[in-house]
Amino acid sequence: EPEVTQTPSHQVTQMGQEVILRCVPISNHLYFYWYRQILGQKVEFLVSFYNNEISEKSEIFDDQFSVERPDGSNFTLKIRSTKLEDSAMYFCASSANDRGHSNQPQHFGDGTRLSIL
Amino acid sequence: GQNIDQPTEMTATEGAIVQINCTYQTSGFNGLFWYQQHAGEAPTFLSYNVLDGLEEKGRFSSFLSRSKGYSYLLLKELQMKDSASYLCAVLDSNYQLIWGAGTKLIIKP
Repeated sequence: EPEVTQTPSHQVTQMGQEVILRCVPISNHLYFYWYRQILGQKVEFLVSFYNNEISEKSEIFDDQFSVERPDGSNFTLKIRSTKLEDSAMYFCASSANDRGHSNQPQHFGDGTRLSIL
Repeated sequence: GQNIDQPTEMTATEGAIVQINCTYQTSGFNGLFWYQQHAGEAPTFLSYNVLDGLEEKGRFSSFLSRSKGYSYLLLKELQMKDSASYLCAVLDSNYQLIWGAGTKLIIKP
């Protein structure tokens, strides 16, 4: 079964550095998402991406964050000037969702555990 | 504001049945999802409801009442591997998934 893949599985970075988290969504999916889950807390929506542009973003997704689809397969999340509170699991998800047919589930990658020191 | 409520933790016995409730108040509604999340792992899709009623899928069933803003996930013939968090999530009018905090289900032998 096709799956979403994320790399790296664990990233350790010094505070203030930039990190890039990588995702390869399922190949025929059209919508891509990034979520964050701080240890022991709920999953939080960051951003959704469709047709090579951001379609929705949350209050968390400020100027520190950016997303990019540099080629036909990768979908990246860049975090600039990382802070201690950016330590979390970051999940990428994709769906075949056509907005007229919202019953397509979002399939999640295994996540990247980001640790800021 | 948008709000999804579910119990923080539930305990059940292997072989038994458990019902996990979810109530929601969101700006618009385009369906409700249930996901399972084992500790340290990604959420995995369990079910989707957009019309009122019961959807059955093997040992798991999910129910929705849109007028009451209420859903439940029913797990039958519980197995130890069902110990996990169960996340209720609603797709709002912007097609954004709004997540509950999850219900940690503990299965005892």
